[in-house]
Amino acid sequence: AQSVTQPDIHITVSEGASLELRCNYSYGATPYLFWYVQSPGQGLQLLLKYFSGDTLVQGIKGFEAEFKRSQSSFNLRKPSVHWSDAAEYFCAVGPNYGGATNKLIFGTGTLLAVQP
Amino acid sequence: ETGVTQSPTHLIKTRGQQVTLRCSSQSGHNTVSWYQQALGQGPQFIFQYYREEENGRGNFPPRFSGLQFPNYSSELNVNALELDDSALYLCASSLVGTGQYNEQFFGPGTRLTVL
Repeated sequence: AQSVTQPDIHITVSEGASLELRCNYSYGATPYLFWYVQSPGQGLQLLLKYFSGDTLVQGIKGFEAEFKRSQSSFNLRKPSVHWSDAAEYFCAVGPNYGGATNKLIFGTGTLLAVQP
Repeated sequence: ETGVTQSPTHLIKTRGQQVTLRCSSQSGHNTVSWYQQALGQGPQFIFQYYREEENGRGNFPPRFSGLQFPNYSSELNVNALELDDSALYLCASSLVGTGQYNEQFFGPGTRLTVL
């Protein structure tokens, strides 16, 4: 079955500290991988995506993620967290072809709180 | 460039009623997907519309239906509302047909409460 697991429901970090959010997936083939961020009352904003090639991908707002095929993981990292990063983060997978049905499967999310 | 918009922002209905949610695609996009996000959960794929036809459906009953119009805007209709239908409904648009993956751009969502 296709699924995405985000084992950390809630994480609290201090401002300026580093951050790593975990994501594991189960999929028939290597999927396309995504991280989205959702602020209260907002839709989803794409932080970064992995399609192929270099397994370390850079995104917006200073985020990066590393794809590890052997571990079926796509963890999100940021070296120094800012108070404005407080939000909910979703990992998602999608089919690795440019077809019309580009359905995304999401994890349950990790809620990030940032302490001053 | 106008982003994805959804209306209404919030909606309250009672069990058994019917509801229609609306979505305007981002300019130039031809595909719309709908997702349901229950409280504390990630979004779940309901269905996708491409060239005015349903093209892919998630694990949702037939009382969830939709339309896509020639201008690529879309409606999500839910009949016989149940309490568990209370959720944030997200619309996402993309441009399909270029042979490469098509990023989905999400709207802000419609918060539906069923009493």
